[in-house]
Amino acid sequence: DAKTTQPPSMDCAEGRAANLPCNHSTISGNEYVYWYRQIHSQGPQYIIHGLKNNETNEMASLIITEDRKSSTLILPHATLRDTAVYYCIVRGYTGGFKTIFGAGTRLFVKA
Amino acid sequence: SQTIHQWPATLVQPVGSPLSLECTVEGTSNPNLYWYRQAAGRGLQLLFYSVGIGQISSEVPQNLSASRPQDRQFILSSKKLLLSDSGFYLCAWSPHPRDRGTYEQYFGPGTRLTVT
Repeated sequence: DAKTTQPPSMDCAEGRAANLPCNHSTISGNEYVYWYRQIHSQGPQYIIHGLKNNETNEMASLIITEDRKSSTLILPHATLRDTAVYYCIVRGYTGGFKTIFGAGTRLFVKA
Repeated sequence: SQTIHQWPATLVQPVGSPLSLECTVEGTSNPNLYWYRQAAGRGLQLLFYSVGIGQISSEVPQNLSASRPQDRQFILSSKKLLLSDSGFYLCAWSPHPRDRGTYEQYFGPGTRLTVT
């Protein structure tokens, strides 16, 4: 599975959009981009995934660049409860069923 | 809808004692199941995964073992705990890829284990 690179931490003001970037320049054609988040002392929570089209659900939007080498997770109106570590993961069928979580981005939403 | 349960929520065990953590999934069939460990302030480490009853793959050599006696039950065990086994243990499930072709995982609430 392709490796991802994320900034270690980011700040966002409450009510503003939080844009979390992820680089995955070695992504291959059959690999999806997944985003999870982990709030302190809880298990990770699946947020969204996509292949090449932009995706939106009730939690967030996922924007994938045309060359698929990077993506951005957008929380449109961040709240204090969105403070968490956000993980960007790229994976496909090769490599079996493993999902490897990196260090992620620690997002601080401030009042 | 699908739900995943883990118990106990917290556990304090002495070194050398046995361990049994249980995970069950409801509302789905033939899921892939996973055990992760997260040390304090660290990332998630995949320990085991299972694609079916009795099928276990180990990712990291250690004194832990896993079993899947039923389709939606996953058990993590140890015969003798070490201090280094302390951590936050997370069970997760994902739909079988042939059903959806993707691998999103859904995590349980976790078990916080302290080995003293």
